[in-house]
Amino acid sequence: EAGVAQSPRYKIIEKRQSVAFWCNPISGHATLYWYQQILGQGPKLLIQFQNNGVVDDSQLPKDRFSAERLKGVDSTLKIQPAKLEDSAVYLCASRKRGGEYNEQFFGPGTRLTVL
Amino acid sequence: GESVGLHLPTLSVQEGDNSIINCAYSNSASDYFIWYKQESGKGPQFIIDIRSNMDKRQGQRVTVLLNKTVKHLSLQIAATQPGDSAVYFCAVLSGGYNKLIFGAGTRLAVHP
Repeated sequence: EAGVAQSPRYKIIEKRQSVAFWCNPISGHATLYWYQQILGQGPKLLIQFQNNGVVDDSQLPKDRFSAERLKGVDSTLKIQPAKLEDSAVYLCASRKRGGEYNEQFFGPGTRLTVL
Repeated sequence: GESVGLHLPTLSVQEGDNSIINCAYSNSASDYFIWYKQESGKGPQFIIDIRSNMDKRQGQRVTVLLNKTVKHLSLQIAATQPGDSAVYFCAVLSGGYNKLIFGAGTRLAVHP
């Protein structure tokens, strides 16, 4: 079974620029998550989708971050404009509908550096 | 809101020794806990979980202990191997928000 795919793996941008990350979840997984992991910290949930609808985006900085999941499969997370404090690893995870949390699988992440 | 903390940011052990990684949580209503392992350049990987109606659960070389009285859980790794070197996170399912809240992580270094 293929895992969660993310691209790019690394991205370096200057502050105030825009950036987008892509995630392809495990086939058939209805629930998709985006997490932000700052160096030395645990992952923090940014947004959760159920199919193509948003379930929880309470910790998403909506003035600069946006995410979409068209057709309930792939998802894109965008930052516009980026700030220095956005430097982090952005993790995507997916889980099948009704699945337990021990069945939530993470992708390898995109490491973002904002200069 | 829920908070999750770990007692030690780094743990160094000798190969073959047992490792114990600790975690504390704040919400007494939390009822589901997970331990993850994260290797360099990879996403977190599920190790073992436990529900609040249990105080111990064992897997292959790993044991999780839950003490609800003091809101503490621990991960024990038996006969630690070099391949166990990674950052270990505990995560708590936040009852009020139905999402996983992660601690800061403990880096386990295994020396030959």
